[in-house]
Amino acid sequence: DTAVSQTPKYLVTQMGNDKSIKCEQNLGHDTMYWYKQDSKKFLKIMFSYNNKELIINETVPNRFSPKSPDKAHLNLHINSLELGDSAVYFCASSQITYRGYTFGSGTRLTVV
Amino acid sequence: AQTVTQSQPEMSVQEAETVTLSCTYDTSESDYYLFWYKQPPSRQMILVIRQEAYKQQNATENRFSVNFQKAAKSFSLKISDSQLGDAAMYFCAFINSNSGYALNFGKGTSLLVTP
Repeated sequence: DTAVSQTPKYLVTQMGNDKSIKCEQNLGHDTMYWYKQDSKKFLKIMFSYNNKELIINETVPNRFSPKSPDKAHLNLHINSLELGDSAVYFCASSQITYRGYTFGSGTRLTVV
Repeated sequence: AQTVTQSQPEMSVQEAETVTLSCTYDTSESDYYLFWYKQPPSRQMILVIRQEAYKQQNATENRFSVNFQKAAKSFSLKISDSQLGDAAMYFCAFINSNSGYALNFGKGTSLLVTP
């Protein structure tokens, strides 16, 4: 059983398109996150939700919008994709944050 | 601002040898938590070890151990009896209430294990 699953694993799309990445966790965790890993492997938080409520919203373009229909799901919708959005996007979840997060396997987004 | 610094972009170790990866961090808080994550070529992020700042005893998980120096704000990872499967990017990370309990990562150290 996959604890944190993201779909799709790979996404290639053209500039200007709108795309979504889905994330689901079956761990019963209350908090979910989106991280972006750039081409230099640096990981930076984008958003976090606790029980469907937005907790962290870092400086991210408005084209990125998270949606949490319930505490087991956190989707990421991206409008008007740009070349610079190409990266690996990780979903993660946690119950007790100081125990660390459980990460999904990542979605490699390539904008051409 | 809270920062995590990994000063070694790349490290190399021979199989069966020991290697230490460095990490320093900067925070004004006294209550925080530190982690090492491993990212193999499969890109999966795997929690290797964690340390609570209030604990003086260094954490150990099998071949992985840390040297936590709170006064120096240093948190190094030692890998003993290195194996080929240890080859990966290793990220040091930090969390506390000031970060909104978001994991703040260092830039990573790429570990190469040679036969």
